[in-house]
Amino acid sequence: GAVVSQHPSRVICKSGTSVKIECRSLDFQATTMFWYRQFPKQSLMLMATSNEGSKATYEQGVEKDKFLINHASLTLSTLTVTSAHPEDSSFYICSARDPVGTGVMQPQHFGDGTRLSIL
Amino acid sequence: AQSVTQLDSHVSVSEGTPVLLRCNYSSSYSPSLFWYVQHPNKGLQLLLKYTSAATLVKGINGFEAEFKKSETSFHLTKPSAHMSDAAEYFCVVSGRDSSYKLIFGSGTRLLVRP
Repeated sequence: GAVVSQHPSRVICKSGTSVKIECRSLDFQATTMFWYRQFPKQSLMLMATSNEGSKATYEQGVEKDKFLINHASLTLSTLTVTSAHPEDSSFYICSARDPVGTGVMQPQHFGDGTRLSIL
Repeated sequence: AQSVTQLDSHVSVSEGTPVLLRCNYSSSYSPSLFWYVQHPNKGLQLLLKYTSAATLVKGINGFEAEFKKSETSFHLTKPSAHMSDAAEYFCVVSGRDSSYKLIFGSGTRLLVRP
């Protein structure tokens, strides 16, 4: 079945550094990918929609300069957390929309998430 | 605007007994609804989806859900719980704009007692 690979699975770094998270669709091409943030014991919050070859669309309240998204190819989207601080610590999950089917019938496949811890 | 409400933050059942996870939706038009499962520190796996076809939807691992328009509900059920079913479950509605964004409920943690 369709697989989305997210890397790294866990990262610990010092405050002020930038961290890049990769999301790859392994056996399909994804023109649209999504980035979510999940706080402990809470639901997923959509951060942005990543569109191949164009700028990402950010949800209200998400700082685009803080969370840089690049979707340069049909199989890869990256999320860079710039100048990370402890409050950015969270679980980040990506998903990729499978082009099979149309509209809402196109399934979203999720990565296994990245646990980001900023010291 | 569309939204989903999961009525229980935690549900605890004994192994071998039925599972019921409740979800109510709000939508101004016929919604597309999903149930996803998340195991600890993992991404999400689709259990089943409703997209205006049959109202009783069968999913993986013995789960099913029934769309009831009159009650605006989409409850998830399973006849007999297994220990491996212990996880977080999310009821999700899809947006209708061109991006078809997913809107997540708050989640229900299912605990299965031996």
